[in-house]
Amino acid sequence: EADIYQTPRYLVIGTGKKITLECSQTMGHDKMYWYQQDPGMELHLIHYSYGVNSTEKGDLSSESTVSRIRTEHFPLTLESARPSHTSQYLCASTGANTEAFFGQGTRLTVV
Amino acid sequence: KQEVTQIPAALSVPEGENLVLNCSFTDSAIYNLQWFRQDPGKGLTSLLLIQSSQREQTSGRLNASLDKSSGRSTLYIAASQPGDSATYLCAVSRYNNNDMRFGAGTRLTVKP
Repeated sequence: EADIYQTPRYLVIGTGKKITLECSQTMGHDKMYWYQQDPGMELHLIHYSYGVNSTEKGDLSSESTVSRIRTEHFPLTLESARPSHTSQYLCASTGANTEAFFGQGTRLTVV
Repeated sequence: KQEVTQIPAALSVPEGENLVLNCSFTDSAIYNLQWFRQDPGKGLTSLLLIQSSQREQTSGRLNASLDKSSGRSTLYIAASQPGDSATYLCAVSRYNNNDMRFGAGTRLTVKP
């Protein structure tokens, strides 16, 4: 079983609020990723990190930001949530053998 | 840009049938290919990882094959069970997972 955790699992928040989605892994993986997935649709990469102090934007334009101060922690922040941010956010990590492990996801609803 | 296509988009079979899910990709210069399972509202569970130098991987009732030159992978599920009902996703990476690209998935329903 993968040791990668996301909190919260579900979040309903009002427009304009600042939110941080948490992702932590205990596998010592250097690479971590954030994906956005709308219901029934494919995953889109929004951010990734090669290791501590490394962050890159993915393919999908996103108004979110990320940080990687510790290997095990890769939080995603929305400074001002909007209804268009309503989606499922999935965090993943990969180790040396390149197998990817995913968290359970955070389902965000902005009202 | 790598594009990943999964066919069929949805599949419904009776319990006990053997079935094949297909994944195709446009750029054959891949580093690896991974099959995942996703249950409704949940994250992804890794099923099988095939490195570019490998032809297939097996785990229990699952067998995944990879033909890089033709840009295809198949996931074979033997003796399907209702618990296999889920969406199955394939993802390909070109450089060490930095650009993992996903298909839209095949939604599988196995009827008792």
